[in-house]
Amino acid sequence: QVQLQESGPGLVKPSETLSLTCNVSGGSISGQYWSWIRQPPGRGLEWIGYVYYSGSTNYNPSLKSRVTMSVATSKNQVSLRVSSMTAADTAVYYCARGGQLLGGLGLWGQGTLVTVSS
Amino acid sequence: AIRMTQSPSSFSASTGDRVTITCRASQGIRSYLAWYQQKPGKAPNLLIYAASTLQSGVPSRFSGSGSGTDFNLTISCLQSGDFASYYCQQYYSYPLTFGGGTKVEIK
Repeated sequence: QVQLQESGPGLVKPSETLSLTCNVSGGSISGQYWSWIRQPPGRGLEWIGYVYYSGSTNYNPSLKSRVTMSVATSKNQVSLRVSSMTAADTAVYYCARGGQLLGGLGLWGQGTLVTVSS
Repeated sequence: AIRMTQSPSSFSASTGDRVTITCRASQGIRSYLAWYQQKPGKAPNLLIYAASTLQSGVPSRFSGSGSGTDFNLTISCLQSGDFASYYCQQYYSYPLTFGGGTKVEIK
């Protein structure tokens, strides 16, 4: 079955850029929307945005100026970059399949904790 | 952005109880609502979409209702594995937004 696995640095310094990758195994990224969601420790969920397999994107206005999402079809991967990281960006970052206005987010990765600290 | 408000934020219940969680949207979202269950240290798991459609594999003790601005998630007979946090999410318009969550604890 399809599985998602996030990877990236667990620790980022303030003002640096976070780069995360979501590896999709057991299926193709083609034809799908892929979302990123984050959850600060002990708090709720925030949708960051989606990238469609074609490369089109839609970002949350709250983060739009700092976020870039992309796809690597040959590697079956999607990526997230968040620039100018601050302590407020400390969170578990999840990738998930979905994000179009048709249904919920039906498949999630296990998430990766990113801490912003010097 | 559409604001999603859940109530209560937490409560205690016993195994076998019937429990209901409420989610209110700041504007009408028709039936474009999903519910998720999240256990500590785990990713959210989709339970219900389109306000009342059970995701494949989800036990029938879970049910959803509502449309427009007011929605409910009901667990008919609480089981030990149901003690978790629950989130609603609208997908009527972007940005997608989640409710603040409801934590169901053991009494």
